[in-house]
Amino acid sequence: GENVGLHLPTLSVQEGDNSIINCAYSNSASDYFIWYKQESGKGPQFIIDIRSNMDKRQGQRVTVLLNKTVKHLSLQIAATQPGDSAVYFCAVLTSGTSYGKLTFGQGTILTVHP
Amino acid sequence: NAGVTQTPKFRVLKTGQSMTLLCAQDMNHEYMYWYRQDPGMGLRLIHYSVGEGTTAKGEVPDGYNVSRLKKQNFLLGLESAAPSQTSVYFCASKPNLGRGGLEQFFGPGTRLTVL
Repeated sequence: GENVGLHLPTLSVQEGDNSIINCAYSNSASDYFIWYKQESGKGPQFIIDIRSNMDKRQGQRVTVLLNKTVKHLSLQIAATQPGDSAVYFCAVLTSGTSYGKLTFGQGTILTVHP
Repeated sequence: NAGVTQTPKFRVLKTGQSMTLLCAQDMNHEYMYWYRQDPGMGLRLIHYSVGEGTTAKGEVPDGYNVSRLKKQNFLLGLESAAPSQTSVYFCASKPNLGRGGLEQFFGPGTRLTVL
């Protein structure tokens, strides 16, 4: 099976700081990873993804790093803004799941103070 | 495009009552999913569908039934609601592998309370 966990359930930062949210997974056959953002009262929104043949991918103000050796991925948010306050989930897709089964982590609550 | 929509947004049931949650997507996606979200447990897959007329069980299917009579709609039914089914329910969809990425697109959720 797949266990997906997060090192910290909450993270508080000041506006303008960089934020790093971590996620660990257990199945070495996992080959696709997604970060979702969930604002209060809303459904999860896709932020960025990365495949197992990459170790880094950048988006707008966000970077995902993948370390397959230790089965760890992180989401870095540059110049964090109050609008970034939300719960962040990592989700993992394991090879061979034809229906695209994602295993979700429990989430990290990011709070950005002005 | 409205994306993924869910009806209703909120509902309160008494134990033993039944109800149906409706999910609709206008993106012509083949795959659709129902999840429940409970505090500290992330999202757990209840049922899923890989196409019109097909459904399958996920991780936590007990107490729920689903139907996918039309490609754009995925219905989640609770025949006899129990307090343990108090949760926030999310529907998601995604296209076939050949037509898009692997990420799932989520609806806004339905908050269900069973008394």
